[in-house]
Amino acid sequence: EIVLTQSPGTLSLSPGERATLSCRASQSVSGSYLGWYQQKPGQAPRLLIYGASSRATGIPDRFTGSGSGTDFTLTISRLEPEDFAVYYCQQYGSSPLITFGQGTRLEIK
Amino acid sequence: QVQLQPWGAGLLKPSETLSLTCAVYGGSFSGYYWSWIRQPPGKGLEWIGEINHSGSTNSNPSLKSRVTILVDTSKNQFSLRLTSVTAADTAVYYCARRGYHYYYYYIDVWGKGTTVTVSS
Repeated sequence: EIVLTQSPGTLSLSPGERATLSCRASQSVSGSYLGWYQQKPGQAPRLLIYGASSRATGIPDRFTGSGSGTDFTLTISRLEPEDFAVYYCQQYGSSPLITFGQGTRLEIK
Repeated sequence: QVQLQPWGAGLLKPSETLSLTCAVYGGSFSGYYWSWIRQPPGKGLEWIGEINHSGSTNSNPSLKSRVTILVDTSKNQFSLRLTSVTAADTAVYYCARRGYHYYYYYIDVWGKGTTVTVSS
């Protein structure tokens, strides 16, 4: 089983700042199979990034995904008030077929 | 615009069977895998399993012995049964769609979560 470990657990930043979220896999993950989701309180998650670096439909370009192998990063260039949420990385392909990281909470400082 | 609407019993006693159904509205049913994902209170996401229109399933080995996922293509619905529930199965349960083409490896449509509580 591939375990995804996200860091930090909580990130406290101010609007306008840059956020860098990490997702580390216990084994190599094909970049095609790594995605990122955003979840706001009381809502279902929303797909942000697929294929490690491609933005899903309607996702603003301040969201950037990067990385390969075991280390992946989600960068939010200039935080907007609506970006404060919990972010999850997800991999596909290793049993179980789909696994998520434990999440990073991005909170307003 | 595809919409997923889940329903089912929200309060169970330990050892009972969780049963949820999800109806798919407004889009194609075939050609996709339909998933169940859960989220315990204050915790992260756990993929439970999925099924396609042909009835082909994949499930999380950690739950496989207790999980049954079924499909009813005549109604564009799929369902989850989880036997012998305990308090650890208390969670928000999401029905969702694994995508197509670029989104094949990801969950691109999510239903509203439905809360299931297991308590004696």
